[in-house]
Amino acid sequence: RKEVEQDPGPFNVPEGATVAFNCTYSNSASQSFFWYRQDCRKEPKLLMSVYSSGNEDGRFTAQLNRASQYISLLIRDSKLSDSATYLCVAFNQAGTALIFGKGTTLSVSS
Amino acid sequence: NAGVTQTPKFRVLKTGQSMTLLCAQDMNHEYMYWYRQDPGMGLRLIHYSVGEGTTAKGEVPDGYNVSRLKKQNFLLGLESAAPSQTSVYFCASSDTGYGYTFGSGTRLTVV
Repeated sequence: RKEVEQDPGPFNVPEGATVAFNCTYSNSASQSFFWYRQDCRKEPKLLMSVYSSGNEDGRFTAQLNRASQYISLLIRDSKLSDSATYLCVAFNQAGTALIFGKGTTLSVSS
Repeated sequence: NAGVTQTPKFRVLKTGQSMTLLCAQDMNHEYMYWYRQDPGMGLRLIHYSVGEGTTAKGEVPDGYNVSRLKKQNFLLGLESAAPSQTSVYFCASSDTGYGYTFGSGTRLTVV
């Protein structure tokens, strides 16, 4: 089983829609999780961290469910500029480096 | 403020040739990483370093070697390039171990 698995996508939504991405991880010892964003042919950039209590940053909400080893990202009121690939990220078994999921592609249309 | 700089940005190699990819960071970060990204495979960790003079293997280390002789530089070497090593290579650095700053990538084609 790959350490981090994501919804395959792609997700095609209209502007203003709410969309949710899911991710599961295998390393039960991992303490930290993240969502990165990657635009086409660009480098990934940190979008937000994921905390046990959940966290919100504007239109973005991230949730962690340790019991189910499940992470989610919710985007409300989607904008055209949200079109990108979203990468779910956890630490490797050794806790020394980040392991990235394959990514979920979001396309927001007008 | 350059951040993380990768050189070269593009390269075409013939099978069997060798080359070195250079990653340089000016943020005094302890941690540095090399990933490769292929269509449908996502980012896969090749090698990483938790400090000057240290290196460790990641998920897909075969066919690559690395060195971290200076804190600011992390070199990725291909001794005998193979078509399977055609990929986009990303270097990243971090001071916290999780807030990575990535370089803009090196697009390598092996023919």
